[in-house]
Amino acid sequence: AQKVTQAQTEISVVEKEDVTLDCVYETRDTTYYLFWYKQPPSGELVFLIRRNSFDEQNEISGRYSWNFQKSTSSFNFTITASQVVDSAVYFCALGGYQKVTFGTGTKLQVIP
Amino acid sequence: NAGVMQNPRHLVRRRGQEARLRCSPMKGHSHVYWYRQLPEEGLKFMVYLQKENIIDESGMPKERFSAEFPKEGPSILRIQQVVRGDSAAYFCASSPPWGVSTDTQYFGPGTRLTVL
Repeated sequence: AQKVTQAQTEISVVEKEDVTLDCVYETRDTTYYLFWYKQPPSGELVFLIRRNSFDEQNEISGRYSWNFQKSTSSFNFTITASQVVDSAVYFCALGGYQKVTFGTGTKLQVIP
Repeated sequence: NAGVMQNPRHLVRRRGQEARLRCSPMKGHSHVYWYRQLPEEGLKFMVYLQKENIIDESGMPKERFSAEFPKEGPSILRIQQVVRGDSAAYFCASSPPWGVSTDTQYFGPGTRLTVL
């Protein structure tokens, strides 16, 4: 069975602070995919990143960066110099064969 | 290339009525997945369909819920005799008929069902 744990339910930061969202996963699959999605108050899912299990390179995209550590089954997401527009619920997800398993989400509030 | 389309975007039903949610996959995609997001929760897998076949319905409630993906037309998620607990956002995703499907799942904007 697959499982994704996002232990942080809610985080509040002041604008321009850095923030890291944690994600730990469990799977028996040898090939799998990890995702992060953003869900703003409007409700749609905004795709942020996909990483496959064979690629442990960290990735940076603008103010966003991701740290994939297979040894600890973690796929953490850092926002640098946070902005009010970053306020949303962020979901980490694990894709195995046929279905995607989502974490319960972390609600990020960036205070001006 | 249009993305995954879902309609309606918002649906209001009274208890006991039927709800029909539609999902049109991306062009060239023959696999469809439905997920449900209850308020303040993450998305939960419901069902995986290919054209005219249900592949995995392990996440579907045993009663009142059904899904189909006919040879022609959109996939339909049908909820009979809705109850207040069915109020949720229902997301559809599609993927092409090759590769590891979850690598290429694209999500629609969701349908928000409110049961009064």
